[in-house]
Amino acid sequence: GAGVSQSPSNKVTEKGKDVELRCDPISGHTALYWYRQSLGQGLEFLIYFQGNSAPDKSGLPSDRFSAERTGGSVSTLTIQRTQQEDSAVYLCASSLRGAITEAFFGQGTRLTVV
Amino acid sequence: AQKVTQAQTEISVVEKEDVTLDCVYETRDTTYYLFWYKQPPSGELVFLIRRNSFDEQNEISGRYSWNFQKSTSSFNFTITASQVVDSAVYFCALDPSGAGSYQLTFGKGTKLSVIP
Repeated sequence: GAGVSQSPSNKVTEKGKDVELRCDPISGHTALYWYRQSLGQGLEFLIYFQGNSAPDKSGLPSDRFSAERTGGSVSTLTIQRTQQEDSAVYLCASSLRGAITEAFFGQGTRLTVV
Repeated sequence: AQKVTQAQTEISVVEKEDVTLDCVYETRDTTYYLFWYKQPPSGELVFLIRRNSFDEQNEISGRYSWNFQKSTSSFNFTITASQVVDSAVYFCALDPSGAGSYQLTFGKGTKLSVIP
């Protein structure tokens, strides 16, 4: 596609359930980033993938969060046993190289945990 | 520790007015980058500018201008002759490593509404 695509655009889930958020980066982009934007907060870095290198997971807030990137393309962010504080917009971005200034962002997935 | 403060939570202006968005940062690093991003209602984040800590020259790009003052740790953003399309949330961010890190420290954003 022409841009970074995220699905679903909105997700409402019950506390305790697991959710999967998907990101389709721009074709050919080797770097992929996940950020979280909580209500009234700035963005928090979650995880970074670059090519075949081991991802930088240092931003993941707890072990309930995990992410994978299959075949160097599509990425899935999984949140297990969701909590209300997980409610946020999850933004994915990709770039041709690992330069955040060159990154294109998707429109995000708005997650609401009830 | 790094911190970015955008004291203005929301601003409303009438179209064609000028508006300045404030950004104050804290870092102990001597080499760092500062950024501004725009987040329109559609949700995606759009990169606007990056400045490094050694370059205090003001920058102008069309109706946008940025004023970087190290003495006051500020990196303010001015939109001249605002337009409705400028309505968005604007984020200021800091890369304290000065190494082009993706682990930016973001402010909480300023929501700008431009009223026709």
